Amino acid sequence: GEDVEQSLFLSVREGDSSVINCTYTDSSSTYLYWYKQEPGAGLQLLTYIFSNMDMKQDQRLTVLLNKKDKHLSLRIADTQTGDSAIYFCAESLSGYSTLTFGKGTMLLVSP
Amino acid sequence: NAGVTQTPKFQVLKTGQSMTLQCAQDMNHNSMYWYRQDPGMGLRLIYYSASEGTTDKGEVPNGYNVSRLNKREFSLRLESAAPSQTSVYFCASSEEGKGTYEQYFGPGTRLTVT
Repeated sequence: GEDVEQSLFLSVREGDSSVINCTYTDSSSTYLYWYKQEPGAGLQLLTYIFSNMDMKQDQRLTVLLNKKDKHLSLRIADTQTGDSAIYFCAESLSGYSTLTFGKGTMLLVSP
Repeated sequence: NAGVTQTPKFQVLKTGQSMTLQCAQDMNHNSMYWYRQDPGMGLRLIYYSASEGTTDKGEVPNGYNVSRLNKREFSLRLESAAPSQTSVYFCASSEEGKGTYEQYFGPGTRLTVT
């Protein structure tokens, strides 16, 4: 079955870049997603990448996909204290509307 | 346009009590989902509904029932609550046909079972 894994915690200083990593096991993934969850709130979609792409940039966010290694990363440039949150990686498979989520990476940004 | 709404926001139940969590979306989405979130476990899918009139089990369906009342509403029922069902419950919806299956989440219901 499919499995999505992430490191649990990342701490950075304000102004640095943050890189959050994710690995997945199912090679038939069609889309891969990054969601952000702020304290006490639901999940908010940040960005997604189609599996035939290797990079997507959206303002301060850069997503890199290495399909051979089944590795996905999210880079946040110039990290701000407002970026402190839990970040979830998720995948969807061809023909299925359900997503499989990783356990989430807590990002803590210190001033 | 409220997106996905959930009621109640908080609930405390005693073991054995029943309750229904309500979810509604105003985006005309076909698919709706119920997840639970527990510390260190991420999000786990309880049930989902790909269209009005259909429901399917997810990863952790035991102890729950669902009803897709119409296209807008998808409710989750706990018939006899247990302490293991203490969790944060999220409802989500997604639009078919775009291919991305991007899901939109509600703010969650925080449930404690004593």
